[in-house]
Amino acid sequence: AQTVTQSQPEMSVQEAETVTLSCTYDTSESDYYLFWYKQPPSRQMILVIRQEAYKQQNATENRFSVNFQKAAKSFSLKISDSQLGDAAMYFCAYRGPYGGSQGNLIFGKGTKLSVKP
Amino acid sequence: NAGVTQTPKFRILKIGQSMTLQCTQDMNHNYMYWYRQDPGMGLKLIYYSVGAGITDKGEVPNGYNVSRSTTEDFPLRLELAAPSQTSVYFCASSPGTNEQFFGPGTRLTVL
Repeated sequence: AQTVTQSQPEMSVQEAETVTLSCTYDTSESDYYLFWYKQPPSRQMILVIRQEAYKQQNATENRFSVNFQKAAKSFSLKISDSQLGDAAMYFCAYRGPYGGSQGNLIFGKGTKLSVKP
Repeated sequence: NAGVTQTPKFRILKIGQSMTLQCTQDMNHNYMYWYRQDPGMGLKLIYYSVGAGITDKGEVPNGYNVSRSTTEDFPLRLELAAPSQTSVYFCASSPGTNEQFFGPGTRLTVL
């Protein structure tokens, strides 16, 4: 079964600095999808960034980028120029390549990010 | 588009009571999901549906039931509520291989 591990329960960053959140996963599939979701205190789950495993290029969305290491099964999120609004829980998630149960998201336990002014 | 909407936002139940959590999406997505999120944990899948009339169990289905009579609606039924079902419940929908879109969640407390 696929698993997702986030080894950092909490992280802290100074405003305007850069922080990297770690995520590792386990799968026997060669094609799959990886996601980072942000959950602020409002509880709303917000998609931050998505990576398709068949793409070698790392995904980037404005200040958010990933370091996708397929062989190492690692998928870290880098937040540049951190802002106070980035403070939230961040969840790494894995999705298999097919429909049905394979299409379900498997979540890590999350990393709580604090941003200091 | 309203996206994914959930009602109620909060609910307190007594042990043994039953209730239905409502979920509606207006994006014409075939795939819909119910998750629960316990304190300090990630989301765990309760049930999912790949289209109207088709549902299947996820990782933690015990104590819950679902139905999918239309593309838009995917209600979650709790029978005989137990304290272990105290959680935040999220509904989500997806067009397929893309990301899932989440509702705002329902905070349920069973006392």
